Amino acid sequence: DGGITQSPKYLFRKEGQNVTLSCEQNLNHDAMYWYRQDPGQGLRLIYYSQIVNDFQKGDIAEGYSVSREKKESFPLTVTSAQKNPTAFYLCASSDRQGANSPLHFGNGTRLTVT
Amino acid sequence: QKEVEQNSGPLSVPEGAIASLNCTYSDRGSQSFFWYRQYSGKSPELIMFIYSNGDKEDGRFTAQLNKASQYVSLLIRDSQPSDSATYLCAVKESVWGAQKLVFGQGTRLTINP
Repeated sequence: DGGITQSPKYLFRKEGQNVTLSCEQNLNHDAMYWYRQDPGQGLRLIYYSQIVNDFQKGDIAEGYSVSREKKESFPLTVTSAQKNPTAFYLCASSDRQGANSPLHFGNGTRLTVT
Repeated sequence: QKEVEQNSGPLSVPEGAIASLNCTYSDRGSQSFFWYRQYSGKSPELIMFIYSNGDKEDGRFTAQLNKASQYVSLLIRDSQPSDSATYLCAVKESVWGAQKLVFGQGTRLTINP
């Protein structure tokens, strides 16, 4: 079955540590995205990538970094510079060629930093 | 900063009634509009999208778009308890290729048996 796999489902870290969230897709989609969701809030875009070896900042990129070395993978690193890292992180992908191609979401990673 | 506004609710509707969810957006150039459903603790799942003025129906769901008023809505007919969830409205920014979506804060819907 095609889909998006995020791991781990729950992640706990101490303040000051960097942490990397994994996102893998086998949908053969060109575009991938990282969103952040806080309780009772909508999704906010962190980074997105339209093609391998290329990515752009979203609305809240500060304190985050990404890489896109393979079409299937788009890992997100939450650095110690991110002031409020505790949140629900969602990875998504879409077919870049379709004007109205929907976003397909992974199951999310819930990060707690103490 | 482009904005998408939704009433956060909660919206309470009796089982079998019509639930009406509303969304307004600030970017007059927006072309594509999406409704996602999100159960508590889960990821969003697409219900439907619309890009032409008027109504679009899919089963019990109808999306309505009025670009002149910058307004999009979702109607759920014959509401079921399983429809209880948060509904997210999303608007596509005009970025070639990538589906760069701006999301509203979501409306929490409760269907009462």
